[in-house]
Order: sequence, then structure tokens, then C-alpha cells
Amino acid sequence: EPEVTQTPSHQVTQMGQEVILRCVPISNHLYFYWYRQILGQKVEFLVSFYNNEISEKSEIFDDQFSVERPDGSNFTLKIRSTKLEDSAMYFCASRNQAGVTNTEAFFGQGTRLTVV
Amino acid sequence: GNSVTQMEGPVTLSEEAFLTINCTYTATGYPSLFWYVQYPGEGLQLLLKATKADDKGSNKGFEDTYRKETTSFHLEKGSVQVSDSAVYFCALVQGGGADGLTFGKGTHLIIQP
Repeated sequence: EPEVTQTPSHQVTQMGQEVILRCVPISNHLYFYWYRQILGQKVEFLVSFYNNEISEKSEIFDDQFSVERPDGSNFTLKIRSTKLEDSAMYFCASRNQAGVTNTEAFFGQGTRLTVV
Repeated sequence: GNSVTQMEGPVTLSEEAFLTINCTYTATGYPSLFWYVQYPGEGLQLLLKATKADDKGSNKGFEDTYRKETTSFHLEKGSVQVSDSAVYFCALVQGGGADGLTFGKGTHLIIQP
């Protein structure tokens, strides 16, 4: 069964460093997402991406965040200068079919980011 | 804006007990509703979905009903197992295209043998 894969599963970084979280969405999907889950809290939407550009972003997704689809398969989230409060589980998701609301998003296993 | 409210846990039950996890939402129009489950150490897996009022879903013994009149989407299971121990998230999406999911805070379910 096709799945969304994320690497690495766990990343530890020093405050102020840049990190790139990587995702390979399901190959025929059109919409790509990043979510984060701070420990013990709810899953929060960060950004959606379609047709090689950002479609929507939340207020969490400020200038220190960026996303890219550098080739036909990868979808990355970059955090330019990490802060302690960026420590969270980051989930990538993808979804098929434009204009159809009832298709579910498929999630990756997540990358646990720890900023020290 | 959209919001999802679900009962907070942890909810602790004995094996074979009946489970209800309440979920209510606020949204304009007709959102699609989902239950995702997160087992320990794993990512989010889709459990159930409903796209229109009175939709009933069933998966792995879990059931839900989308009730527009009460803006609710409760999750039920007649007889829980230890393996059902996980965090359950209610979520909605509204509109087409690139809209992201709005999640509830999650309900941590613990099933004791």
C-alpha cells in the first residue's frame, strides 16, 4: 500500500541552526501538507502546497518556515533558525484529487524535532 | 473560524467495555469529518470519515455518525480491546483543494485488561 514517508524520524538540533525535514508524499497525490504536534497538544496545520506553490498557511507558519518541492517526489519543510519552542513532532501529509472535499489526507510517521 | 472540541482524557476503560468519545464542531457549511488514531510511537492513521449529514461509518469495530443538527461526530465501539489503546483525534476539513485539517485536542484512551 502506498504511504507517505518522512526522514529523519528524530532530529536533534541546536537553537539557531537550520533544519530541513523531508517527506516523500504518495506519488499521484496533488496536495501536500505540513502539520506539527507539540508534545501533549493537538495537531496543528502549518501549510498546504499545490501546483508548486503555497496554497494556505497558518499564523504559525511565519518567515522562519519555508517549503519546497525540489523534484518530483520530495517535499521539504525548512526551519531557518530554530527556537526551543519549535520542538515538536512534524507530520507531512498528502491528499489526492483537486476540488473534492471528501478525500482523506494520508499522514507520514512524523519527524520528532528536538531543539536544545 | 472552524474548531473541533472533543472530550479530553485520559479515558480509562476495562476490556470489553463500551466506548463513546464525543466530538462536536463549529464550521460554516458542510465540512467533511474524520477520526484519526495515533498508536504509541506511530503517526496518524485514518479510522473513519464522513462527508455528509447522517453518514455512518464503520471500521475495526468503531462506528460514527455525522449529525448536522447537533454538529456532532461521536465515535463509538461496542467492546474495546487492549489494542485500542491510543490517542483519537476528531478533525474536519472544509472547502475543496488545499484546506488543511482542523483537529481536536485528542482523547487518550487506555484500555486495561
